[in-house]
Amino acid sequence: SQELEQSPQSLIVQEGKNLTINCTSSKTLYGLYWYKQKYGEGLIFLMMLQKGGEEKSHEKITAKLDEKKQQSSLHITASQPSHAGIYLCGARNEKLTFGTGTRLTIIP
Amino acid sequence: AAGVIQSPRHLIKEKRETATLKCYPIPRHDTVYWYQQGPGQDPQFLISFYEKMQSDKGSIPDRFSAQQFSDYHSELNMSSLELGDSALYFCASSWAGTYSGNTIYFGEGSWLTVV
Repeated sequence: SQELEQSPQSLIVQEGKNLTINCTSSKTLYGLYWYKQKYGEGLIFLMMLQKGGEEKSHEKITAKLDEKKQQSSLHITASQPSHAGIYLCGARNEKLTFGTGTRLTIIP
Repeated sequence: AAGVIQSPRHLIKEKRETATLKCYPIPRHDTVYWYQQGPGQDPQFLISFYEKMQSDKGSIPDRFSAQQFSDYHSELNMSSLELGDSALYFCASSWAGTYSGNTIYFGEGSWLTVV
């Protein structure tokens, strides 16, 4: 089965700083999703990457899928309190399997 | 735009009781997924349906069953509830199955508390 490991597990960043979250897969990724979750709430779709080397951006969030398609990174520029939450990467094969999650806290 | 609708949002049941969660996918989505998220854990895949047929099965207990109806809504039935079943249950939907590469959208989740 495919396993996804995210790092770091938790991150505390001062507002305005940049940060990066990594997602490493034990197998080749055929589709990589990034979601954000506020505690006890639904998963909000951020981005989906499918091709090796692909990079997508939305507002201040950029996600990349490496050429070998086994690792993805999520980069937030000039972080804001609204970015706080849990970030989950998900790998799509016959089903969507999630990584371990990264809890992001933004300090004003 | 319409999103994935789950009901009820909160549910409290006693041990050994039965609970039913409902999921209404985004219009024209034909694939539904169910996930269970325990406290502090990542969502765990339970089961999925594509065009009203079960397409994949994950770590769903035998006490649980689910189906997708002709209008594509889905219901997750949980019987003989145990304290460990207390969790946030997510439904998600997409179009044309998981392999299609189409985006999978999640509902807000249903909180089940077993006491």
